[in-house]
Amino acid sequence: AQSVTQLGSHVSVSEGALVLLRCNYSSSVPPYLFWYVQYPNQGLQLLLKYTSAATLVKGINGFEAEFKKSETSFHLTKPSAHMSDAAEYFCAVSDGNQGGKLIFGQGTELSVKP
Amino acid sequence: NAGVMQNPRHLVRRRGQEARLRCSPMKGHSHVYWYRQLPEEGLKFMVYLQKENIIDESGMPKERFSAEFPKEGPSILRIQQVVRGDSAAYFCASSPLQGSMNTEAFFGQGTRLTVV
Repeated sequence: AQSVTQLGSHVSVSEGALVLLRCNYSSSVPPYLFWYVQYPNQGLQLLLKYTSAATLVKGINGFEAEFKKSETSFHLTKPSAHMSDAAEYFCAVSDGNQGGKLIFGQGTELSVKP
Repeated sequence: NAGVMQNPRHLVRRRGQEARLRCSPMKGHSHVYWYRQLPEEGLKFMVYLQKENIIDESGMPKERFSAEFPKEGPSILRIQQVVRGDSAAYFCASSPLQGSMNTEAFFGQGTRLTVV
């Protein structure tokens, strides 16, 4: 069965600093992995997805994530945080062969200090 | 192309009432997924539907909850006799393809249900 663990429910960084949000997965099949962002009282927006084409995936808003099979990780990074990056971030793995059925992590709330 | 539309955005119900949440998928999408987000938690899968069929309802509570996706019209998530523990944000997502693990699911803005 698939599962996702996000390490750290709250992460705080200074504006301009590196953003690193951690995600580890467990999957019995080659995983398809996703990062979503949720702004307050909004729905989820896809940041990026890993579909086995390339281990380093670039997404929107300057975010990227690297798939590391040996570490079962899919950490999200951004070189320089902006105030507008403050939001909740969710890592997810696709469950089986149902494309829209996702298993989500608990989420990480990112705060950006001026 | 309009995105996934959910209504209402906010819904207040008294304990024991019924709640009906609607979801219109993106144009051309025939697969709908419902998720529930409890306060301070991630999203939990509830049910996966295609037109007129429930494909996977493994995440649905056994009682009081039901979902449908008729041939015409939006998908409906129905909660009967609501209790305070049903207070949550309910999100709908749609996708165009079945059986494709890398298919992106597009999410609606959610319906925030408050039971008083």
